[in-house]
Formats: sequence, C-alpha cells, structure tokens
Amino acid sequence: SQQGEEDPQALSIQEGENATMNCSYKTSINNLQWYRQNSGRGLVHLILIRSNEREKHSGRLRVTLDTSKKSSSLLITASRAADTASYFCAPNTGNQFYFGTGTSLTVIP
Amino acid sequence: EPEVTQTPSHQVTQMGQEVILRCVPISNHLYFYWYRQILGQKVEFLVSFYNNEISEKSEIFDDQFSVERPDGSNFTLKIRSTKLEDSAMYFCASRGLSSYEQYFGPGTRLTVT
Repeated sequence: SQQGEEDPQALSIQEGENATMNCSYKTSINNLQWYRQNSGRGLVHLILIRSNEREKHSGRLRVTLDTSKKSSSLLITASRAADTASYFCAPNTGNQFYFGTGTSLTVIP
Repeated sequence: EPEVTQTPSHQVTQMGQEVILRCVPISNHLYFYWYRQILGQKVEFLVSFYNNEISEKSEIFDDQFSVERPDGSNFTLKIRSTKLEDSAMYFCASRGLSSYEQYFGPGTRLTVT
C-alpha cells in the first residue's frame, strides 16, 4: 500500500525549539504531501514535494525527500504553541491518499 | 477564501438506517474524496471521484456505500444500512485539476446507536 508511516508517534517540545517528524513509505511515488490536523478538525495541507525534488521550504517548514530510502522529514522551526496538532504524510501516486497514524506534536508554552 | 463545506455537522442515526452525508466542494475543483476517521484512529481513504465516476476506492468502501454528484455543486456519501462500526468522522475533500493539494471540509460526525 502507499500508506506513509510517521515517526515518532508523539513528540513534546518547548516553544521555540525545532520539531522533526519522519515519514517512511514503501512504493514509488509522484509526490509526497504533509498535512496537519487539529483535534476533531479536517486536515490542512501544509506542503507538497515532488519526487524529483530533494528539499522544499515554506515559511517555518522544511521538507526533505529521499526517494532512494523512501523517506521524508518535516522540520518545523521555532515552534509555537499553535503548532500543537497531529501531522500526517501522504505519499501519492494516483488518485488515492493513504494517511498513516501521524505524529502528535505538543508544543509547551 | 473558498472552502469545502459539509452538512450536517453531527448526525445521529439508528443501526440499519440509511444516511446521506453532504459536501459542497470548492467550485472549480474536479476531484472529490471521502475519508473517515474513527475516534482516536487514523484518517482512512474511502473513495475518490472524478468525471462523474469513482476513480479509486478502498476495501472499506463496500456495497453499503455509494457516492453521487447529483448536481453541479453537491457531492454525497450514502450509507445504506448503518452499522455501529460506521460511527466516525467523515471528511470530504476536493482538489483542482492541476494541483495535488486537497482541501478538506470540517467533517460530519456520524453516531450510530
């Protein structure tokens, strides 16, 4: 399956620190996306990285992709309490998206 | 900013009843999706829909489920005979032709008693 698996399952950091989450997947992909979900809400798209890209930045977010290792990482710099949420990766080939169990990030003020 | 809307926000139904969950995708989007999330678990893909037909579906999307785009704006998910285990949040999402970015609705909480 195309499902991504996020690691760690839970992460707790102090405000201002950086948070790094990892994603591993099993099949070849066209792109990989990261989403955020606040408790009980819908997912919000954060960033997309294509299979021919190795790194991408968006504000405080930095995503890397290593297709040889079938892995990606999401770095949130200078974290804020408002970043507290679950983060999911979605490796994508066709028109179906399989999310993993996510990384639950808690940023302590 | 355009957004995906879903109604109702919460639906309570008895086991065996039919339910229809409604979604209004973003107006110029062409791909539509349904997902579900059982409390405390991951978001699970159900079905994708493009050009008035199902393009992909998961094992969860069995004969009890159907989707329809009855007009130019609504996208519905029907569960024919609900079971207790259908209790979950159901999310609709849509995307445009040239972008893989999906926009999610706020969800419908379905409670089957």
